[in-house]
Amino acid sequence: SQQGEEDPQALSIQEGENATMNCSYKTSINNLQWYRQNSGRGLVHLILIRSNEREKHSGRLRVTLDTSKKSSSLLITASRAADTASYFCATVPNSGYSTLTFGKGTMLLVSP
Amino acid sequence: GEEVAQTPKHLVRGEGQKAKLYCAPIKGHSYVFWYQQVLKNEFKFLISFQNENVFDETGMPKERFSAKCLPNSPCSLEIQATKLEDSAVYFCASSQSGTGGDEQFFGPGTRLTVL
Repeated sequence: SQQGEEDPQALSIQEGENATMNCSYKTSINNLQWYRQNSGRGLVHLILIRSNEREKHSGRLRVTLDTSKKSSSLLITASRAADTASYFCATVPNSGYSTLTFGKGTMLLVSP
Repeated sequence: GEEVAQTPKHLVRGEGQKAKLYCAPIKGHSYVFWYQQVLKNEFKFLISFQNENVFDETGMPKERFSAKCLPNSPCSLEIQATKLEDSAVYFCASSQSGTGGDEQFFGPGTRLTVL
């Protein structure tokens, strides 16, 4: 089954605006992580939220987790052109393995 | 090192040829993970190692793909008799632990193009 489905698939905003991306998953998780991928580059870890946490902040990033709805959201406040990238959520199951299951990602374009 | 290193950066192979990719995890990390990214979107888990032992190979294609992590050597992912559909970017990641969901640190990837 497909875990970590993000929406929207693509998001285009102006600098200074906020960007919200959502992620849904299907199975029980240990934690959920958000990653950023700039074009042609590797993944950069942004934030990890554990299943017993509801909200987490890191700089301009705010992540929420609702385990009852099996969903998470990533909010980037006061976006910058440098935030242009693809954003992926990834889940780690409760099975004991740390294998990440990724969604298809949201492509964010921030225009100056 | 402080970063996950992957070599080569790009690899071009004709169909049927062998491809071998290498990964050096961050020093002190015991777990190595391989992922395949096709067409800039979905990441597919392939295999993970705890030191030199296979930890989880549930994503590994049974045929043509093999991987190793030997002591004092980079980890490797080998594809025998490559096919067009193997064209992808292969990412390696390492972490300190394999359970509990510690952060995985990703390398820059190896882009494999099969012609």
